[in-house]
Amino acid sequence: SQKIEQNSEALNIQEGKTATLTCNYTNYSPAYLQWYRQDPGRGPVFLLLIRENEKEKRKERLKVTFDTTLKQSLFHITASQPADSATYLCALGGSSNTGKLIFGQGTTLQVKP
Amino acid sequence: EAGVTQFPSHSVIEKGQTVTLRCDPISGHDNLYWYRRVMGKEIKFLLHFVKESKQDESGMPNNRFLAERTGGTYSTLKVQPAELEDSGVYFCASSQAGGLGRTQYFGPGTRLLVL
Repeated sequence: SQKIEQNSEALNIQEGKTATLTCNYTNYSPAYLQWYRQDPGRGPVFLLLIRENEKEKRKERLKVTFDTTLKQSLFHITASQPADSATYLCALGGSSNTGKLIFGQGTTLQVKP
Repeated sequence: EAGVTQFPSHSVIEKGQTVTLRCDPISGHDNLYWYRRVMGKEIKFLLHFVKESKQDESGMPNNRFLAERTGGTYSTLKVQPAELEDSGVYFCASSQAGGLGRTQYFGPGTRLLVL
């Protein structure tokens, strides 16, 4: 069955450093991949979309890579800030007519001042 | 512009009772989705509406769950009768029509606890 793996352990880094989060998947060929941010008690908030024919996407301090051969996406936050502390979710979408997303469990990032 | 709203924010019911969750999508969004996160697990897809039609209901757990979107505006998700394993956070999301990978805007969720 389709499976998405994100680092289950929390990632703790120092302010100003680059945070790198990993999303690996199996038994699936997504047409696109999205990253979301979720804060406690809130719903996920969309951050970035990358399609299967794209290698890299950037938005301000965020960068996403997508390797369909390795079945992996990396999500980078450069010059991290305490306000970046949250849970980050990886979600895969298919090429069918449904917008159904398959989510990973998320990785919690803690940026210390 | 108002975001996706969900009501109630919390619900505590006893096993066997009925609960109805409501979702109001962003105005003009044809696509409406329901997802659920049970304790310790990932967010899982339940179903997808395009306007008032069910596009994909492959994630609905069983026939105790009934989703409607009359008139293509707000949606309700009814659980009848509720079981202990139905406890979790139910999220609604909406997106504009057309194209793959449209951004889904999530509501804050309804936290359901079945005792």
